[in-house]
Amino acid sequence: QVQLVESGGGLVKPGGSLRLSCAASGFTFSDYYMTWIRQAPGKGLEWVSYISSSGRITYYADSVKGRFTISRDNAKKSLYLQMNSLRGEDTAVYYCASGFFEDVVSLDHWGLGTLVTVSS
Amino acid sequence: QSVLTQPPSASGTPGQRVTISCSGSSSNIGSNAVSWYQQLPGTAPKLLIYSSNQWPSGVPDRLSGSKSGTSASLAINGLQSEDEADYYCAAWDDSLNGVVFGGGTKLTVL
Repeated sequence: QVQLVESGGGLVKPGGSLRLSCAASGFTFSDYYMTWIRQAPGKGLEWVSYISSSGRITYYADSVKGRFTISRDNAKKSLYLQMNSLRGEDTAVYYCASGFFEDVVSLDHWGLGTLVTVSS
Repeated sequence: QSVLTQPPSASGTPGQRVTISCSGSSSNIGSNAVSWYQQLPGTAPKLLIYSSNQWPSGVPDRLSGSKSGTSASLAINGLQSEDEADYYCAAWDDSLNGVVFGGGTKLTVL
């Protein structure tokens, strides 16, 4: 069955960096667009970024543009999110998710999430 | 402030029909399909509806989605206690070039 497992979260100081990873299994990873979604404590869902199946196309929310970079390694079946210049408002649970091939709105598989806390 | 507008709360008694609305604009719901998600406390979201009115496998047909103009809605028939959760709508936004979510609706089963 499809499994997505995020890792790399933790406590980081404002201005610091963190790299999240998402290990995929149970499906042909290289066929699917992948997405990062985040949820601040007690708040709603916020789309962060998506990447095409080949990795050539990427989109970012304005709130993270220029600070976050999404990437993937299809050989390793892994998705990444490099987060730089972190701010307090980046504190959230970060989920990786996949949808129906190129669909980035209908996400039918999600990981359990990894918590990122930005605080001094 | 979310791009898509949902009521913060909704409620109903077991067996009732409840509807949750999601209001957007011509750049999102008006021109793109809507998805709906359910999130139980402490868990990842679960896809309930895609392409505005389609069910993924495993989702009961007592849930249904619809879209008209720049608004969408999720209807839950035969409300059950296990439906108590947060519900989110989502759509692609052509102006923002990204996915937008509603602020979420907390459904309480009385």
